[in-house]
Order: sequence, then structure tokens, then C-alpha cells
Amino acid sequence: DTAVSQTPKYLVTQMGNDKSIKCEQNLGHDTMYWYKQDSKKFLKIMFSYNNKELIINETVPNRFSPKSPDKAHLNLHINSLELGDSAVYFCASSQKGARWAFFGQGTRLTVV
Amino acid sequence: KQEVTQIPAALSVPEGENLVLNCSFTDSAIYNLQWFRQDPGKGLTSLLLIQSSQREQTSGRLNASLDKSSGRSTLYIAASQPGDSATYLCAVPNAGNNRKLIWGLGTSLAVNP
Repeated sequence: DTAVSQTPKYLVTQMGNDKSIKCEQNLGHDTMYWYKQDSKKFLKIMFSYNNKELIINETVPNRFSPKSPDKAHLNLHINSLELGDSAVYFCASSQKGARWAFFGQGTRLTVV
Repeated sequence: KQEVTQIPAALSVPEGENLVLNCSFTDSAIYNLQWFRQDPGKGLTSLLLIQSSQREQTSGRLNASLDKSSGRSTLYIAASQPGDSATYLCAVPNAGNNRKLIWGLGTSLAVNP
């Protein structure tokens, strides 16, 4: 049973398109995150939701919009994709107060 | 500003060797330090978490140590196996915001049979 699952694993799309990446966790955690891994393998946090409320919103373009329909899901929608959006995006979850985070397998987004 | 550095960037060893991966951080006021493993296509796996009050943690063939005063942590892997081949990352929570992790660039390990 996958704890944190992301779909799709790979996404290749053209500039200007709108796409979504889905994330689901079955761990019963109340906090979920989206990270972007850059070419140097740094993981930079983008968003964090706790009980469906946005608690961290780092400086990312407005084209990126997270949506949390419930505590177990945090989807990432990206409008007007640009070449620079190409990266691996990781979803993660944790329980509030815990210092562990469980990560998904990542979604490799390639914008052409 | 916290910075995390990992040395070496890459390591290739024959199977069976004991090895040490290094992680250093500039701000010693940390709450904890985590070691992760990243496998291609499988995401990140949390290996060990060391609280600031602890000096080491062990899990199987893995042993992680923490020296806050010198800003260093080491991950010791005993009797390495080809299955240990992966990228190993260390991370510390950002001061004032425990949900934000500051990551090193990782050590890419290859264990050759």
C-alpha cells in the first residue's frame, strides 16, 4: 500500500498548457506539502496545507495553485506552463507537530 | 541563514565496505537532523531522525551521529550492499519554521558488486 501517491509519474507537455498533478495520502496525516526539486537536487517547499487550510505559501508564481478537497488530497494545478517549470515535483505529508515527512515518488514534469 | 553541505558529492565503493557520508550545517541551533534516501522513481525514504539532544541513532546497518557544536552529522553504512546504491540527503528544519526543511545536495552512492 502506497503511503503517499502522486499521479502522473511523468508529464510531458507544451508551453502554455494547463496541467494538474494529483497527490493522495492514506496515512491519516493532517498536513500536506508540495516541493519542487531543482536541477541541483535542492528541494524547495512551495505550499503546505494543514486540515485543508493553506499555512505556507512560498514565493511561487500565481500560475501555481494548490487545491485541497480534503485532508487526504493536495493537488497542484499549473497554468500557462513555462520551460522553467520543468522539474521534479514532490508531494509529502506529515502529522502536525511531527518532524517527519513522508514523500511521494515524485512527478517529473517536462515542458517543451 | 542555514546552509547544509554534504561531502562527498559522489561515492563509488565495492560491496562489503564500510563507509561514511558527511553532512555539515552552518547554524548549530537545530531541532533535529534527518537523513533520507532517494531512489529514482521511488521518491524519498526517511532513514533516521536525530533529535538535537541525541548524539546518534541506529537502524540496522545504518548509524547516524550528530555533533551540534561542530555543525556536523555523519551517516555510517556498514557492510555496504548493491541495494544501498542511491542518493543520500540530509536535512534540518529551518529556524523558526519546523515545517520547512533545508536540504543538502546529497551524496550519490554506488555500491558495486
